[in-house]
Amino acid sequence: GAVVSQHPSWVICKSGTSVKIECRSLDFQATTMFWYRQFPKQSLMLMATSNEGSKATYEQGVEKDKFLINHASLTLSTLTVTSAHPEDSSFYICSAWGGTEAFFGQGTRLTVV
Amino acid sequence: AQSVTQLDSQVPVFEEAPVELRCNYSSSVSVYLFWYVQYPNQGLQLLLKYLSGSTLVESINGFEAEFNKSQTSFHLRKPSVHISDTAEYFCAVGRSSQGAQKLVFGQGTRLTINP
Repeated sequence: GAVVSQHPSWVICKSGTSVKIECRSLDFQATTMFWYRQFPKQSLMLMATSNEGSKATYEQGVEKDKFLINHASLTLSTLTVTSAHPEDSSFYICSAWGGTEAFFGQGTRLTVV
Repeated sequence: AQSVTQLDSQVPVFEEAPVELRCNYSSSVSVYLFWYVQYPNQGLQLLLKYLSGSTLVESINGFEAEFNKSQTSFHLRKPSVHISDTAEYFCAVGRSSQGAQKLVFGQGTRLTINP
């Protein structure tokens, strides 16, 4: 089946630095990918929709200047958390659709210290 | 707007017992329903989905869910659970039967199987 690969699986960074998370569709093309955030023991909250070749669409309340999304090719979307702070610590998950099903990456656990 | 409510945040059951995880949705348009499973520190895996046709859908590992339009529900059931079924389960609703789309997720139900 289709596979979405997310990298890195976990990252620890210092407060004030930036972190880039990659999401790749390995065996299919995805013009649209989605980025979710999940707090401990909570559900997934959609952050933004990543569109290949155009600007991402952000959900209400999500700071677009803080969470930079780039969808430069049909198989790669990146999420950059800029000037990270401890409150940005979370589990970030991407997804891409193949046919009638959404495939999810393994997730990235970000810890900002 | 669409919304999903999972009525139970935690469900503990004994191994080989039956289980039902409840999911209710709200939508003003046609709905397409999904159940996903999440193991610790991992992404989500599709368990089963309802797009059209038979209202009873099954997964390969013994789970089934029934779409009930009148009760706006999509409860997940398994007649006999195994230790390996311990995970977080999410119900989700979409607007279309195909193509990339936003999914709205429920709060999740943590299923714990006790020996």
